Amino acid sequence: KNEVEQSPQNLTAQEGEFITINCSYSVGISALHWLQQHPGGGIVSLFMLSSGKKKHGRLIATINIQEKHSSLHITASHPRDSAVYICAVNVDSNYQLIWGAGTKLIIKP
Amino acid sequence: DAGVIQSPRHEVTEMGQEVTLRCKPISGHDYLFWYRQTMMRGLELLIYFNNNVPIDDSGMPEDRFSAKMPNASFSTLKIQPSEPRDSAVYFCASSLLAAWGEQYFGPGTRLTVT
Repeated sequence: KNEVEQSPQNLTAQEGEFITINCSYSVGISALHWLQQHPGGGIVSLFMLSSGKKKHGRLIATINIQEKHSSLHITASHPRDSAVYICAVNVDSNYQLIWGAGTKLIIKP
Repeated sequence: DAGVIQSPRHEVTEMGQEVTLRCKPISGHDYLFWYRQTMMRGLELLIYFNNNVPIDDSGMPEDRFSAKMPNASFSTLKIQPSEPRDSAVYFCASSLLAAWGEQYFGPGTRLTVT
């Protein structure tokens, strides 16, 4: 069993839909990251969080430390949101990032 | 700030050749990371530096790989000799405060070894 699991693996939705991507982990963490990788390959860090909720534009990330679960939400989704979304966790205060396999999101116009 | 800069963006080379990838971290960031991404293995941490000093290179696949950080604004990842299985996208990332802090990624170098 992977220490970081994301669901779904693939998600196709229509423009405007509310999107939720989930991340569950089985280790103790000091922080959780959500990253976005576009088809061109570049990786962008979206959020780093260790508790609660963060919001940036149409993106919202939440984390529940007790349940070892995080969600990334996209409101009013747009085709330009099409990308792979990756969840990664820092193991306690270790430098290591354990990566999820990613969720490939396609938003159709 | 221009963000993390990597060069070249694409590299195609023949097996046996030496390959050098370059990275300029964000100014003021004390931590620099080299990652490799393949379809089979996803993102793997190869090595990271703190204040130009290599802290952990346990992710470096073998002796053919070496990384240096001669100063705070420049790092190289070298593969000599290169092999087809080294074909991957290599990312450099930097972080400001801690190894577990938010990492800022460069655009990556897509390496193809034929």
